Amino acid sequence: DGGITQSPKYLFRKEGQNVTLSCEQNLNHDAMYWYRQDPGQGLRLIYYSQIVNDFQKGDIAEGYSVSREKKESFPLTVTSAQKNPTAFYLCASSLTGIPGYTFGSGTRLTVV
Amino acid sequence: KNEVEQSPQNLTAQEGEFITINCSYSVGISALHWLQQHPGGGIVSLFMLSSGKKKHGRLIATINIQEKHSSLHITASHPRDSAVYICAVAKAAGNKLTFGGGTRVLVKP
Repeated sequence: DGGITQSPKYLFRKEGQNVTLSCEQNLNHDAMYWYRQDPGQGLRLIYYSQIVNDFQKGDIAEGYSVSREKKESFPLTVTSAQKNPTAFYLCASSLTGIPGYTFGSGTRLTVV
Repeated sequence: KNEVEQSPQNLTAQEGEFITINCSYSVGISALHWLQQHPGGGIVSLFMLSSGKKKHGRLIATINIQEKHSSLHITASHPRDSAVYICAVAKAAGNKLTFGGGTRVLVKP
């Protein structure tokens, strides 16, 4: 079945370490997105990519980096520059210009 | 002021009751989405609307483009409907979504 796979579901890291969250889709979607969710808040856009080898910053890109070397994959790296990295991270994908999203199941990152 | 506002923030209902969640937005949109997030965190897309009304089982979603308002109704609510319901809009310029803060629904047996 087509869908988005995020891994791992739960991730623990020590403060100061970089960590990479995986997002893979087999839907042949052009566009992919990373969102962050904090308790009691709406999802906020971190980065998005509408085509391979191209990506744009969202509203809260500071302290994060991404790559889009393959259409299927859009990994997110949470760097040590991110001041408050503990959050729930969601990946999504869509066909460019066509409304309709598919969401992953999310990764809950805890930095201790 | 947020571009997408939901009300109420929290809602508790007895099993069988009719539930309404409201979403107002202040920007031009190409589509509005209603999403469901269960305690585990994963998000399921319930509806995508650009006009009118859609129905799926006990769920009904309506949108009024002129008033920039949408509602999600749950008929004959059941404890398994307990979740956070999120309204999100895709602006006319692209596919990026802007999210409301969510409505936490608890249906008691």
